[in-house]
Amino acid sequence: ELKVEQNPLFLSMQEGKNYTIYCNYSTTSDRLYWYRQDPGKSLESLFVLLSNGAVKQEGRLMASLDTKARLSTLHITAAVHDLSATYFCAPGPYGNKLVFGAGTILRVKS
Amino acid sequence: DAGITQSPRHKVTETGTPVTLRCHQTENHRYMYWYRQDPGHGLRLIHYSYGVKDTDKGEVSDGYSVSRSKTEDFLLTLESATSSQTSVYFCAISVGGERNIQYFGAGTRLSVL
Repeated sequence: ELKVEQNPLFLSMQEGKNYTIYCNYSTTSDRLYWYRQDPGKSLESLFVLLSNGAVKQEGRLMASLDTKARLSTLHITAAVHDLSATYFCAPGPYGNKLVFGAGTILRVKS
Repeated sequence: DAGITQSPRHKVTETGTPVTLRCHQTENHRYMYWYRQDPGHGLRLIHYSYGVKDTDKGEVSDGYSVSRSKTEDFLLTLESATSSQTSVYFCAISVGGERNIQYFGAGTRLSVL
């Protein structure tokens, strides 16, 4: 059974601080997706990591993928309030299907 | 929203009644998906479709059926709604290509009383 574990599930951080969200998955996948969801809204694609060692950055967020360790990280640099959201990782596709982690709720406090 | 429309956006119904949710896309993408989102579970796949009349089960398909008679429409039916099916339902499409990203509709909030 494919398992996707995100850590932490809830993260409260101060503005200006750095932190990393981890996504571990049990079944090999060549790529991984990160999504963002604002409260009451839909999911928005953030990053697509297409191969081992891939690194993508946008603003204060940077995502990386290690397919051998089955691990992806989402690093937050100098957090700001606007980054408050829920972040999901999803390895795959497995037969055109993605499997989502439970999500990490991020709250950035001023 | 990648041309995806979900209807209705909100629905309250009673246990035992049938419910149909509709997902409509405007761009003729082959793959369409229905997920449910519940706290602590992320998104879980209910059913997906890979073409007209071609569908398959996902992780949590019990109690749900789907139909796709046209490329643009993917319907999710709860034959006899139960309180455990209270959830937020998202439809998604896969745009294919190298990146093969899934794009999501706005969601339907369903309450079964």
